Amino acid sequence: DQQVKQNSPSLSVQEGRISILNCDYTNSMFDYFLWYKKYPAEGPTFLISISSIKDKNEDGRFTVFLNKSAKHLSLHIVPSQPGDSAVYFCAASGFAYGGATNKLIFGTGTLLAVQP
Amino acid sequence: EADIYQTPRYLVIGTGKKITLECSQTMGHDKMYWYQQDPGMELHLIHYSYGVNSTEKGDLSSESTVSRIRTEHFPLTLESARPSHTSQYLCASKGYYNEQFFGPGTRLTVL
Repeated sequence: DQQVKQNSPSLSVQEGRISILNCDYTNSMFDYFLWYKKYPAEGPTFLISISSIKDKNEDGRFTVFLNKSAKHLSLHIVPSQPGDSAVYFCAASGFAYGGATNKLIFGTGTLLAVQP
Repeated sequence: EADIYQTPRYLVIGTGKKITLECSQTMGHDKMYWYQQDPGMELHLIHYSYGVNSTEKGDLSSESTVSRIRTEHFPLTLESARPSHTSQYLCASKGYYNEQFFGPGTRLTVL
């Protein structure tokens, strides 16, 4: 049973427009959420995170929104650039869930293609 | 920036061989992790370590074993590789904050 879901396997946007990547979770014990970017044959690169005490976190072109009541988070990339083309993974963790392990539960990823 | 290294990056090996995947980090992080990822799938935790001489199994059952003799080193070993072990293996470490930093991964193919 998947606890972190990314229901869109792929997304295509034009350069300069906004990319919105979505993620849903089912376990209310998660209290920390992260987004990673991954190129083929490379390891994931950390992008941005958000704690459950916030509903928004910004870092440059990247903004993550958290809606706890809906158990939903999204990553906004504005403006999108061709170099943003990669697979984006949503991940969740929580002390109540994993204890001191801080283990991450990942979604299946969304392949973003930014067209020039 | 994270400094975490994995070798080899790619490995093609025959069935029955013993292999060790290396992972090292230079950040002094206590917590380290091994994940396994198949194409198009999520990453699954297979092993983790709180520190030296501490190792635990993760959520996904794996026939691999790990050791943590030094803080910076967290190797993964398969005693007898099989085609079902073909996958990408990703090592990560965690510092003070909740973010885990990943190495470049090892793509293993067992023939």
